[in-house]
Amino acid sequence: DSGVTQTPKHLITATGQRVTLRCSPRSGDLSVYWYQQSLDQGLQFLIQYYNGEERAKGNILERFSAQQFPDLHSELNLSSLELGDSALYFCASSSAEDTQYFGPGTRLTVL
Amino acid sequence: QQQVKQSPQSLIVQKGGISIINCAYENTAFDYFPWYQQFPGKGPALLIAIRPDVSEKKEGRFTISFNKSAKQFSLHIMDSQPGDSATYFCAASMHPDKLIFGTGTRLQVFP
Repeated sequence: DSGVTQTPKHLITATGQRVTLRCSPRSGDLSVYWYQQSLDQGLQFLIQYYNGEERAKGNILERFSAQQFPDLHSELNLSSLELGDSALYFCASSSAEDTQYFGPGTRLTVL
Repeated sequence: QQQVKQSPQSLIVQKGGISIINCAYENTAFDYFPWYQQFPGKGPALLIAIRPDVSEKKEGRFTISFNKSAKQFSLHIMDSQPGDSATYFCAASMHPDKLIFGTGTRLQVFP
């Protein structure tokens, strides 16, 4: 157990819909990273937050957004969902100079 | 420049054998090279990591060999066991930045 929690574990929704994925980092970790894992693209970095502020952006679509709250949990919002958004979404957390520890992921299926 | 190339895509090893997975990178600014292990339905878990100031790091049956001049690094799993059957990802970053992942190697260890 990495200490990073993600909810929900599975999510099934329809095209055009909007969903929210939630992540709680390890106790004391200020950084949260979001990654997308798909069969054709592998593990891709989406976005990083550090202590509530956006720190870095990767291959994140404009339909996707994220935020980190004062209690350090983070949410990834995916809107206008398309079939191609079906993937595993992972959250990872780290302290200032430590490695990234991954959560169990949320499997999103868009029908 | 940001890519990490990983090979082989899949690997079949007999129990007790040595599993070797190779990765190559181009960005010389990378200074942190972790390996992650992922079981089906689980998040990636840190296995072992190395920085470019050392050429080798060993933890139990797992060893990272690092060749800075060739911009290559590899994971060696000694005395491979069926329980090692998983997907292995190499990664690189300008620590503590986002991780750039390789495409993954599916390892199967047969008794």
